[in-house]
This record gives sequence, C-alpha cells and structure tokens, in this order.
Amino acid sequence: GDSVTQMEGPVTLSEEAFLTINCTYTATGYPSLFWYVQYPGEGLQLLLKATKADDKGSNKGFEATYRKETTSFHLEKGSVQVSDSAVYFCALSARNSNYQLIWGAGTKLIIKP
Amino acid sequence: SAVISQKPSRDICQRGTSLTIQCQVDSQVTMMFWYRQQPGQSLTLIATANQGSEATYESGFVIDKFPISRPNLTFSTLTVSNMSPEDSSIYLCSVVKPENTEAFFGQGTRLTVV
Repeated sequence: GDSVTQMEGPVTLSEEAFLTINCTYTATGYPSLFWYVQYPGEGLQLLLKATKADDKGSNKGFEATYRKETTSFHLEKGSVQVSDSAVYFCALSARNSNYQLIWGAGTKLIIKP
Repeated sequence: SAVISQKPSRDICQRGTSLTIQCQVDSQVTMMFWYRQQPGQSLTLIATANQGSEATYESGFVIDKFPISRPNLTFSTLTVSNMSPEDSSIYLCSVVKPENTEAFFGQGTRLTVV
C-alpha cells in the first residue's frame, strides 16, 4: 500500500543553517504531496503542497519539489530561525483514496540560537 | 479555508468512563476524519466520517470503542468508550476541501486516562 518515509529526528541545527528533511513515498498513480508543521502546543497546519510532478511548493522560506523519478519531496530552507522549531510531517493523498492522508512519522526540528 | 473548533482541548478521565469529543467546522464539508496521535508519534487514522453514511473504521479501531456521529455537514463527535490508560493520546479532527485537496485540523484533544 501507499506509504511515506521521512528522516528520523530530532534534527538539531544552529540558527541560519541550511535545512533538509528528506521524504520519500510509495504510491500508485500520481498522489498529491504535502508538508505539515506542528508548532509546540499547537495543531497541525499546512506548510506547503505540490499536486503534480515537478511542481515546487513554497511557503515561509521553505520549499519542496515533487520528484517523480526519485519519488521524493524533500523539505528545504536556506536559513532557519529559532521560530522554525517544530515537528514536520510529510504526507500524501492518493487520488483514489477518498482524500485520506498517508503520514510520515514526523521529524522534530530543534533550532539553537 | 476551514476553521475547526474542537472541544474539549484537554481532559483527565478515570478508567472505565467515556469521553465525547466535539468537532465544529465553520463551513459545510463532506469529508471529516478522526485521528489519534500518541506522544512523539505520527497520526493514525481512526475513521472517516462522511455525512449521510456510517463511519468507516480503519483496521484496529471498532465502532463499539470509538462511536462517531455525523448529524450534519458542519459537526461530528467521537466518543472514546470504556477508557483505559492506553487510550491516553491526542485526538484530532480533520476536514478536507476537495477543491484543493488541503486538510485542515482542529487544535486537538489531549486525553489522559488515569
């Protein structure tokens, strides 16, 4: 069945460092891909998404490109801030799945000043 | 977008009792989902609650333990029945807007069973 694999955390970086959180997926067909973020004590919110191959989603300085050839959707940011500390979830929505989301395990990101 | 109000935000309950969690959406949505998120872990789908039909439960979850109501297109409840400490978790309500495939979440209900 469909699945999402993302790098284990926690990931600890210094402020202004470059961030990559890897995400790969297995799915039949052409799913939509998402990154969600969960800040401490808050609910989940959509960070960015891509709905077809080669699409790039971007928001708040974060980017991820839908790579069909490598079945990947890695999250990147050029210069992280302390306020980016959160848990990041990669997810996919298969087109024939009644819009259910398949979730990665989540990656906790800790940014130190 | 969709704004979801979920109640209660947290509760501490005695084992053997039941808790009903409410999810109110500010717009009509067809598809609503209930998730469980155990501490430090990812989300596990409990069931899909579409208006006009019975909820569809995922493997490992049964209606007797997690009865769901969906009386209209803006409201749903999830009951955690006959609770045990293993039910301690965060329970999340989510809706999907098909026009953009985006999922929206409530703030979650942090349940502790003692």
